[in-house]
Amino acid sequence: QVQLVESGGGVVQPGMSLRLSCAASGFPFSGYVMHWVRQAPGKGLEWVSLISFDGSDIYYADSVQGRFTISRDNSKNTVYLQMSSLRPEDTAVYYCARERGYLGSFFDYWGQGTLVTVSS
Amino acid sequence: EIVMTQSPATLSVSPGERATLSCRASQSVSSNLAWYQQKPGQAPRLLIYGASTRATGIPARFSGSGSGTEFTLTISSLQSEDFAVYYCQQYEDWPPYTFGQGTKLEIK
Repeated sequence: QVQLVESGGGVVQPGMSLRLSCAASGFPFSGYVMHWVRQAPGKGLEWVSLISFDGSDIYYADSVQGRFTISRDNSKNTVYLQMSSLRPEDTAVYYCARERGYLGSFFDYWGQGTLVTVSS
Repeated sequence: EIVMTQSPATLSVSPGERATLSCRASQSVSSNLAWYQQKPGQAPRLLIYGASTRATGIPARFSGSGSGTEFTLTISSLQSEDFAVYYCQQYEDWPPYTFGQGTKLEIK
């Protein structure tokens, strides 16, 4: 069965960096677009970034452009989110999600999320 | 950026009754709209895509309708496990993919 397992969250100070990982299993990972979506405490869902199946297409939300970098390693079935210059407003649960189609489709599977807290 | 607006913010309904949730897009998204359910402490779960197609394993009491800018999620007879927060999402015009702010469905 499809599984997405995020890791790497934690507590960091403003301005610091953190790398999240999402390990995928149960499907041909290299054939799917992958996304990161976040949810601040008590708030709604905010799309963060996507990477195409081969990494050739990458997009970011304006709120993280220039600070976050998405990447993937298809040999390890893993997608990453490198977060730099972190701000308190980046505090959220970060979910990875699989896109059903190829760019411009819905998210059919989600991981359980990893919590990132940015605080001094 | 397409703004998605859900109403109401909170809906109180008794078990066994029908619930109707609304989602409005700031411009047409055709039928490129999905609905997700999220329970406390859990990840979102896909319910509906293409505005009206139920995802695998979703009970028939969940139905979606609409196109363009106005969409509805209907739960025909509420079960205890249906009380949760529901989000709509457009995937017509991206980036960004945008979500509504959510409707909390609570027990009356």
